[in-house]
Amino acid sequence: NAGVTQTPKFRILKIGQSMTLQCTQDMNHNYMYWYRQDPGMGLKLIYYSVGAGITDKGEVPNGYNVSRSTTEDFPLRLELAAPSQTSVYFCASLLQGDNYGYTFGSGTRLTVV
Amino acid sequence: AQTVTQSQPEMSVQEAETVTLSCTYDTSESNYYLFWYKQPPSRQMILVIRQEAYKQQNATENRFSVNFQKAAKSFSLKISDSQLGDTAMYFCAFMRLAGSYQLTFGKGTKLSVIP
Repeated sequence: NAGVTQTPKFRILKIGQSMTLQCTQDMNHNYMYWYRQDPGMGLKLIYYSVGAGITDKGEVPNGYNVSRSTTEDFPLRLELAAPSQTSVYFCASLLQGDNYGYTFGSGTRLTVV
Repeated sequence: AQTVTQSQPEMSVQEAETVTLSCTYDTSESNYYLFWYKQPPSRQMILVIRQEAYKQQNATENRFSVNFQKAAKSFSLKISDSQLGDTAMYFCAFMRLAGSYQLTFGKGTKLSVIP
């Protein structure tokens, strides 16, 4: 049981470049999320999905796009990278029920130069 | 909108001693969860403990326990018998049981356990 798998772990982008952060979960969770963590801060929600084909914006969606074609996969697309997108990115999925709880991926450290 | 406040940016504790991390939150919701997450230098987010708002009994997990004061909107974490491996950032987080079920985080407390 792998949980939530995120790739890559590290990436350096030049201003204006684009990239996709990959996220896969094998727990059949409906809800999935992308958060970003800036230095000295807690995580903030970028986008989330309540199931295949359904996505919605979080607190800080500008500069990002997502898609959810399957229950398992929830990639995050950065278009025209900017220095303000330098951050650590976490993908997560939510177990619902008697014991609500998130499972987080290991994070991606992205630097835009 | 919910807010979560952690008023202690940094704390330290001697190994084997007890330390309490503070967290307050603001919400008009009645159904929610509260969490404490640990983030070591590896940056992995590790669930320490969770509390359901409708349960009056404080949650405990081995050396970790919470003091949940719903009326005061306070949710502190007590770590007993502190160990070197407890050194990490600790985040308090709120989750509304509706809508997106998103987590709202505090800014964190950096805990150092001193040998």
